[in-house]
Amino acid sequence: GDSVTQMEGPVTLSEEAFLTINCTYTATGYPSLFWYVQYPGEGLQLLLKATKADDKGSNKGFEATYRKETTSFHLEKGSVQVSDSAVYFCAGGDTGRRALTFGSGTRLQVQP
Amino acid sequence: DGGITQSPKYLFRKEGQNVTLSCEQNLNHDAMYWYRQDPGQGLRLIYYSQIVNDFQKGDIAEGYSVSREKKESFPLTVTSAQKNPTAFYLCASSGDRGGTEAFFGQGTRLTVV
Repeated sequence: GDSVTQMEGPVTLSEEAFLTINCTYTATGYPSLFWYVQYPGEGLQLLLKATKADDKGSNKGFEATYRKETTSFHLEKGSVQVSDSAVYFCAGGDTGRRALTFGSGTRLQVQP
Repeated sequence: DGGITQSPKYLFRKEGQNVTLSCEQNLNHDAMYWYRQDPGQGLRLIYYSQIVNDFQKGDIAEGYSVSREKKESFPLTVTSAQKNPTAFYLCASSGDRGGTEAFFGQGTRLTVV
């Protein structure tokens, strides 16, 4: 079945540092890929998405590129802020599958 | 505003009681889902429904039950058969029959007292 693997956390960075959170997926075909963000005590919010190979999703300074050759969708941000501290989930899915498949989440802590 | 509403935000259950968590959406989505999240863990799929009057077990359905009598509503009952119900429960919906972009509610934190 489908699976999504993302780097374990916590990831601790200083403000204005560069962020990368790795995500790779294993699936039949080429599903759409997503990054969600979860702030403490809240539900998940869609951060960005890509629906086909070489697509780049971007939002709020975050970016991720759908790399078919490496089956990856790594999340990047050039300069993190304290307000970016949250848990980030990578997910994959496609019409016809039962539900999105989520990675285990990566906690990001940004220090002032 | 369109969205998904979960209620209550916090819920306390005594041992041996059944409790029902509410999930309502006004996005006109066909598919709805329930996930369980434990501290420091990812999301595990409990039940999902791709169309009204139909639902399927996810990966951890034991001790839970659902109904889908209306398109906009997908309540989850945590029964006394669920041995470790303390967790954060998330409801979601999507426009296609599963596997595409999901929209989440704010979650219900259930605690057994």
